[in-house]
Amino acid sequence: GAGVSQSPSNKVTEKGKDVELRCDPISGHTALYWYRQSLGQGLEFLIYFQGNSAPDKSGLPSDRFSAERTGGSVSTLTIQRTQQEDSAVYLCASGQGAGYEQFFGPGTRLTVL
Amino acid sequence: GDSVTQMEGPVTLSEEAFLTINCTYTATGYPSLFWYVQYPGEGLQLLLKATKADDKGSNKGFEATYRKETTSFHLEKGSVQVSDSAVYFCALSNNAGNNRKLIWGLGTSLAVNP
Repeated sequence: GAGVSQSPSNKVTEKGKDVELRCDPISGHTALYWYRQSLGQGLEFLIYFQGNSAPDKSGLPSDRFSAERTGGSVSTLTIQRTQQEDSAVYLCASGQGAGYEQFFGPGTRLTVL
Repeated sequence: GDSVTQMEGPVTLSEEAFLTINCTYTATGYPSLFWYVQYPGEGLQLLLKATKADDKGSNKGFEATYRKETTSFHLEKGSVQVSDSAVYFCALSNNAGNNRKLIWGLGTSLAVNP
């Protein structure tokens, strides 16, 4: 079946612009995670959605970052007023629930000029 | 807080050599431990996992044993192939609470030469 998909695969933007990154999880998966993979920083957790519960936003690095998940499926990560340090690969993962294997999408490579 | 430390790469081996990638962790409670692999141009894939002390995870000839006494989860393979060239990530998930976010090591790049 279809895996986790993310779009766009690459995004180049100018400093100060807003960007939206999209994640389509595997159908039926209730858990959805966003991670960021930066050079020198490795992978870091950003935000977690589980079903209809309030998201765990504890990993968001600043209030310029936000995410939503509509209808328990598609998720959008929004970065406002992008900065050069936001340049990274943004990864989405979904799972059947808490404690289940996380399946990763191919990521969105964001470059902020 | 919870953390994962893995050996820095890059690691370069000849085909059929023995591989060890060290991974140690710090965590409260009893985490689950994972190895993920990222092949060139592909996304992260779960390679193997262990959910409790002394468990051994294995897949594709790779093995790792959850050692609580040494807080380690070293990845091993007896005979590597060129196709094993990839970046390997050690990770943990704390089993307390609903959020099973993964805490990651920095990754170890492996290149296997024919």
